[in-house]
Amino acid sequence: DAGITQSPRHKVTETGTPVTLRCHQTENHRYMYWYRQDPGHGLRLIHYSYGVKDTDKGEVSDGYSVSRSKTEDFLLTLESATSSQTSVYFCAISGRGGEAFFGQGTRLTVV
Amino acid sequence: GIQVEQSPPDLILQEGANSTLRCNFSDSVNNLQWFHQNPWGQLINLFYIPSGTKQNGRLSATTVATERYSLLYISSSQTTDSGVYFCAVEKGNDKIIFGKGTRLHILP
Repeated sequence: DAGITQSPRHKVTETGTPVTLRCHQTENHRYMYWYRQDPGHGLRLIHYSYGVKDTDKGEVSDGYSVSRSKTEDFLLTLESATSSQTSVYFCAISGRGGEAFFGQGTRLTVV
Repeated sequence: GIQVEQSPPDLILQEGANSTLRCNFSDSVNNLQWFHQNPWGQLINLFYIPSGTKQNGRLSATTVATERYSLLYISSSQTTDSGVYFCAVEKGNDKIIFGKGTRLHILP
């Protein structure tokens, strides 16, 4: 299995609080991605990174920010969580033009 | 951006049946992948197949890049094949975009 670890695996938070999800890889892959999965929508790209300090927006980036200060870690932050951000969040890694591998997901509930 | 359409959205089959899942995409792509999401939510790579045909046991996939579609074949279905199958494409801008998936339910 590709070495990808997401933390936490489950989180319940209150509306308006900041939340940070972490994705850690041991594969030294250049590309890292954050997706959210919601019923009827499949997986939608939030943000991705193509190197340290190099990030770009995906399809549904509003309300989210990311940071990548080192190759192995990609952080997703919800500055002020809303109920619409209740979802399952997946991190993925890949080499350039190569296969993507996914973490086990983080189930986030905003109450 | 690129559009990825998967069909059918839902499929219910008896164990032992064969199935074909389709993925259409709206623009040329650099690569295409098929994933299986099992009932526990884990996403598993099935095929990395920007073009041509690959086989792995009872599963095979074909991508016709010039006609912008890919097919995933599942033969002699087993209950463990149940789950959601996703197609994902990347068109050279580093973004990996997913279709909405096909939910497959295999009845014993």
